[in-house]
Amino acid sequence: SQQGEEDPQALSIQEGENATMNCSYKTSINNLQWYRQNSGRGLVHLILIRSNEREKHSGRLRVTLDTSKKSSSLLITASRAADTASYFCATVITSGTYKYIFGTGTRLKVLA
Amino acid sequence: SAVISQKPSRDICQRGTSLTIQCQVDSQVTMMFWYRQQPGQSLTLIATANQGSEATYESGFVIDKFPISRPNLTFSTLTVSNMSPEDSSIYLCSVKYRDRNQETQYFGPGTRLLVL
Repeated sequence: SQQGEEDPQALSIQEGENATMNCSYKTSINNLQWYRQNSGRGLVHLILIRSNEREKHSGRLRVTLDTSKKSSSLLITASRAADTASYFCATVITSGTYKYIFGTGTRLKVLA
Repeated sequence: SAVISQKPSRDICQRGTSLTIQCQVDSQVTMMFWYRQQPGQSLTLIATANQGSEATYESGFVIDKFPISRPNLTFSTLTVSNMSPEDSSIYLCSVKYRDRNQETQYFGPGTRLLVL
């Protein structure tokens, strides 16, 4: 399977703490993206990091990418109860065909 | 960003029947995608739907079971045919869209399907 792996599968933290999720993938990529999904609804795009970038910030989000290790991490700082959701990484493959490969996801629960 | 709507938002169906899910985008897009998300799982790509050509199906998905239409650049339908309880999933429509000089995918709100 091309699907990436995410860990942890589930994470429970207190409000105000930081949450870190990791994503590993298998193939060469053009970019990697992180998405959030609330309660089985549609996915919301959070941030994109290109293969030639190592770190990117957006508000309380920080994403890193290590192409040598084929891994990425998403850090949410000062978490809030509203951050409770599932988070997925997606790698974009464009060799031969354009396709997103989604990771297995991390279910984050932020306790108030 | 692209705004995507899906109909129905949810449905409960009897086995052996078929359901057609509609996906409408507020702007013209070349590439549209259909995903399935089984309970507690990640997203699996069913097919890529391009206007003017037949859909391209991923391994494990066939046109007879999941026929797709793409009549224009803002609309697509996915039919789940001859349903069984194993088809109970969330079905998500997605589009490839260029926004602020980067390409990304935007997703519809999903259709929750329960097959009894």
